[in-house]
Amino acid sequence: AQTVTQSQPEMSVQEAETVTLSCTYDTSESDYYLFWYKQPPSRQMILVIRQEAYKQQNATENRFSVNFQKAAKSFSLKISDSQLGDAAMYFCAYRSGSGGSNYKLTFGKGTLLTVNP
Amino acid sequence: DADVTQTPRNRITKTGKRIMLECSQTKGHDRMYWYRQDPGLGLQLIYYSFDVKDINKGEISDGYSVSRQAQAKFSLSLESAIPNQTALYFCATSDPTRGDTQYFGPGTRLTVL
Repeated sequence: AQTVTQSQPEMSVQEAETVTLSCTYDTSESDYYLFWYKQPPSRQMILVIRQEAYKQQNATENRFSVNFQKAAKSFSLKISDSQLGDAAMYFCAYRSGSGGSNYKLTFGKGTLLTVNP
Repeated sequence: DADVTQTPRNRITKTGKRIMLECSQTKGHDRMYWYRQDPGLGLQLIYYSFDVKDINKGEISDGYSVSRQAQAKFSLSLESAIPNQTALYFCATSDPTRGDTQYFGPGTRLTVL
């Protein structure tokens, strides 16, 4: 079974600075998807970014980018120019690309990000 | 308007009561999911449905049942609620033709006394 590990229960960053959240995963598959979701105090789960394992290029969405290291099974999220609105719990998630019964998302336990003014 | 809506947003009930959580979506996705989130944990899958006639158990389906009334509606029921079902419940949808990325509703906070 796949597992997702987020080793940093909490992180903090100064406003306008850059922070990197770590995620590692364990899988024997070669085809899969990785995601970062954000959960602010409103508790809504919001998709931040998605990475397909077959793509070598790291995904980027505005101030959010990932460092995808397939061989190391590492998928870190970098937030540049941090804003107060970035404060939230961030979850890393894995989804198999093989379909069938492996459709579900496997989540890490989350990293709570605090942004200091 | 939100693409995925859940009702109610908050609910307090008593042990032994039957309760239904509802999910509606306007995204036109065939696939729908119910997840549960407990404090300090990620989300765990309860049930999923790939279309109206295809419903499957997830990791933690005991004590829960679901109904897929239409492509746009997927309900979760607790037949006899117990306190350890107190949690945050999320509905999600996905489109397999677009990488199957899952989009979540706002969540329902359920408290069982």
